[in-house]
Amino acid sequence: DIQMTQSPSTLSASVGDRVTITCRASQDINNLLAWYQQKPGKAPNLLIYKASNLESGVPSRFSGSGSGTEFTLTISSLQPDDFATYYCQQYNTYSSFGQGTKLEIK
Amino acid sequence: QVQLVQSGAEVKKPGSSVKVSCKASGGTFSRYTISWVRQAPGQGLEWMGRIIPILDITYCAQKFQGRVTITADNSTSAAYMELSSLRSEDTAVYYCAIRTDWGQGTLVTVSS
Repeated sequence: DIQMTQSPSTLSASVGDRVTITCRASQDINNLLAWYQQKPGKAPNLLIYKASNLESGVPSRFSGSGSGTEFTLTISSLQPDDFATYYCQQYNTYSSFGQGTKLEIK
Repeated sequence: QVQLVQSGAEVKKPGSSVKVSCKASGGTFSRYTISWVRQAPGQGLEWMGRIIPILDITYCAQKFQGRVTITADNSTSAAYMELSSLRSEDTAVYYCAIRTDWGQGTLVTVSS
């Protein structure tokens, strides 16, 4: 199985900050990477697919980049609604998720 | 957009099996890929497997091979995930998903 490692596990930030979350795959995943946002008690919400494609309806402050085995999710200017947990997911070989990054209010 | 409605919460004994259903509406069911993901209390997301009904092909995470059965019924637009030999660590919310659309989740509690 492909292992996905996210960092950091927890991130404290303030409204208006620019934040970056990193996801590393144990092997090349051909950019078949998605980013999800999840809030407590809710199903995950797709933000980015194929590493850098913004899902319809997702605010443009979210962006994804990377290739090969290293990927990043960037939120350009944090809004109050963005404090949540974020997961990366590879879907190149079967599928697997990173362990999650909890974005907290500083 | 597809609406996914899952079966209700279950309480099971260790060693038993559970079968969770996921009924789709609002799309062409057989053309989709339906994934199953679980989330233990306070933990992250864990991919379990997926099925492509039109091809009748299933994929399963290595961790669950031999314990999970994923099926689909095109006539009723429903998918199913059955997990056997349940243990306490299988206590989780189980989700079905079709790309951006997710079911509401089914809580499975394994307890003696």
